[in-house]
Amino acid sequence: NAGVTQTPKFQVLKTGQSMTLQCAQDMNHEYMSWYRQDPGMGLRLIHYSVGAGITDQGEVPNGYNVSRSTTEDFPLRLLSAAPSQTSVYFCASSLRASNTEAFFGQGTRLTVV
Amino acid sequence: GDSVTQMEGPVTLSEEAFLTINCTYTATGYPSLFWYVQYPGEGLQLLLKATKADDKGSNKGFEATYRKETTSFHLEKGSVQVSDSAVYFCALRPNQGGKLIFGQGTELSVKP
Repeated sequence: NAGVTQTPKFQVLKTGQSMTLQCAQDMNHEYMSWYRQDPGMGLRLIHYSVGAGITDQGEVPNGYNVSRSTTEDFPLRLLSAAPSQTSVYFCASSLRASNTEAFFGQGTRLTVV
Repeated sequence: GDSVTQMEGPVTLSEEAFLTINCTYTATGYPSLFWYVQYPGEGLQLLLKATKADDKGSNKGFEATYRKETTSFHLEKGSVQVSDSAVYFCALRPNQGGKLIFGQGTELSVKP
């Protein structure tokens, strides 16, 4: 019973490097999303997807790209890492976009130096 | 726009003390309301939820009642344990669908 799986758990990047955070769910959920968690700011939505082939921006999308080629996978790409992107990143999925609980991955702690 | 405000932490309690974490929201219509818990080093887990006014969500001794008149969803537990030490997030999801909106989180520390 895997649920939502995120990789890697920890990552250190140099400024300007690019990387992809992986997220996969095995629950056939329509809705997937990426959040970043920063001290005192709760969770802020980066990007979300209501189904394969459909993505949209959240509150803080700048510097990040996403794609949803399959129902299961929703990778988050950092195009050119900046120290301001140091954060803990969480992927979440829900059966639908409305009135359903979200299941979260374990998180990726990213440090940009 | 829609928003969630919860009491600031950290909150420090002794074991067996009564817990209240306040949460109020601003939203149009009738959103669903959630409490999530994050234990150290882990992702968020759903603690309880309520989908309509006057619903009471409960789980693991925690309770919260959806109060439309006061736009609140306060989390309560009658007797906390050391194992309840975590960060608690109040959240809403609009009835018409869409993103989860989180409060800032409240860190709870329970001392033996």
